[in-house]
Amino acid sequence: AQKITQTQPGMFVQEKEAVTLDCTYDTSDPSYGLFWYKQPSSGEMIFLIYQGSYDQQNATEGRYSLNFQKARKSANLVISASQLGDSAMYFCALLQGGSEKLVFGKGTKLTVNP
Amino acid sequence: KAGVTQTPRYLIKTRGQQVTLSCSPISGHRSVSWYQQTPGQGLQFLFEYFSETQRNKGNFPGRFSGRQFSNSRSEMNVSTLELGDSALYLCASSFGGDNEQFFGPGTRLTVL
Repeated sequence: AQKITQTQPGMFVQEKEAVTLDCTYDTSDPSYGLFWYKQPSSGEMIFLIYQGSYDQQNATEGRYSLNFQKARKSANLVISASQLGDSAMYFCALLQGGSEKLVFGKGTKLTVNP
Repeated sequence: KAGVTQTPRYLIKTRGQQVTLSCSPISGHRSVSWYQQTPGQGLQFLFEYFSETQRNKGNFPGRFSGRQFSNSRSEMNVSTLELGDSALYLCASSFGGDNEQFFGPGTRLTVL
């Protein structure tokens, strides 16, 4: 069965510092994708970054980067230079190859302090 | 390019009623997926439609149903509402085939 584990219910970071949000996954499918989404209090899920299982390089999107360690089955999100607007829930999600079904972790609530 | 839109944004219903939620995907996207988000269960997959066909279904009772129209717009219906159906219902669209899924703002349903 596919599973996503986010072990940090809450994280705090000072503005302008970097923060790493942890995500481990479990799947037996060789083809899969990993996503990170941000959900502010308004409820909308905002796509941040994607990593395919066959991608050789770690994905980066602006201040977001994904530290993908396939052998360890981890896909940690790194946010550089945190901003107050980064305060939100962050979800890691797994997409099995050939399927549109996303399996989500329970999320990490990030709070950026001024 | 317009994003995913969902209507209505908020709904209040009473037990036993039924409800229909609507989702308009990003132009060109043919896959629409629905998710339920509750504090207790988190985000759970309901079903996915591609070119008017349901391709995947989550573990929800038959009271939850959906459909997709030829213009890729999708509707989700919940019949005989229960208190536990109170949730944020999110719709996501994509081109299909392992592409990024983009979410709408959600419909917050409250069942009294």
